[in-house]
Amino acid sequence: AQSVTQPDIHITVSEGASLELRCNYSYGATPYLFWYVQSPGQGLQLLLKYFSGDTLVQGIKGFEAEFKRSQSSFNLRKPSVHWSDAAEYFCAVGASGGSQGNLIFGKGTKLSVKP
Amino acid sequence: EAGVAQSPRYKIIEKRQSVAFWCNPISGHATLYWYQQILGQGPKLLIQFQNNGVVDDSQLPKDRFSAERLKGVDSTLKIQPAKLEDSAVYLCASSFGGGGGPWYEQFFGPGTRLTVL
Repeated sequence: AQSVTQPDIHITVSEGASLELRCNYSYGATPYLFWYVQSPGQGLQLLLKYFSGDTLVQGIKGFEAEFKRSQSSFNLRKPSVHWSDAAEYFCAVGASGGSQGNLIFGKGTKLSVKP
Repeated sequence: EAGVAQSPRYKIIEKRQSVAFWCNPISGHATLYWYQQILGQGPKLLIQFQNNGVVDDSQLPKDRFSAERLKGVDSTLKIQPAKLEDSAVYLCASSFGGGGGPWYEQFFGPGTRLTVL
């Protein structure tokens, strides 16, 4: 069965510092991988996605993620965090094949940013 | 372009009462999803529609939850009767594309926060 693990429940970084959020997945075939961000009271917004090809993907708001098949990981990074990045971040894996589009989400990592 | 609309934004009910949530997807999006997000967890798919047909409802507690998507546009999710453990945020999402595969971006609404007392 597919699953996603986000080992860090809560991370605090200083504004301007670099950020890495961890995500590990379990999936037998080539996964479709996603990172979403959820601000308080808002729905989820897609930051970036990986389907195939270049293992380093760029997303919106200056985020990037690297797919590492050998480690079953898809970590999210940002070189310099802004106060507005404080939110909850979810990693997700999507089923390939068939017509189903449902996503399996991790439990999320809450990011706090210190001034 | 208008996003996914949901109402109400908040709802408080007593256990054993019934409640309904409404979702209006982005115009032209064939696929509609309902997710349940319990506090401290990621969203979990309850049901997926393609147009007005159900693609996946394997995780929908059918003894108390029901959903419909009339005319392949708006959708309503109902809980009857509600239990304490149904307290959660209910998210609606939609995506373009008839196949509903994961390669189509899902756009999420702001959600409905349900509290069952």
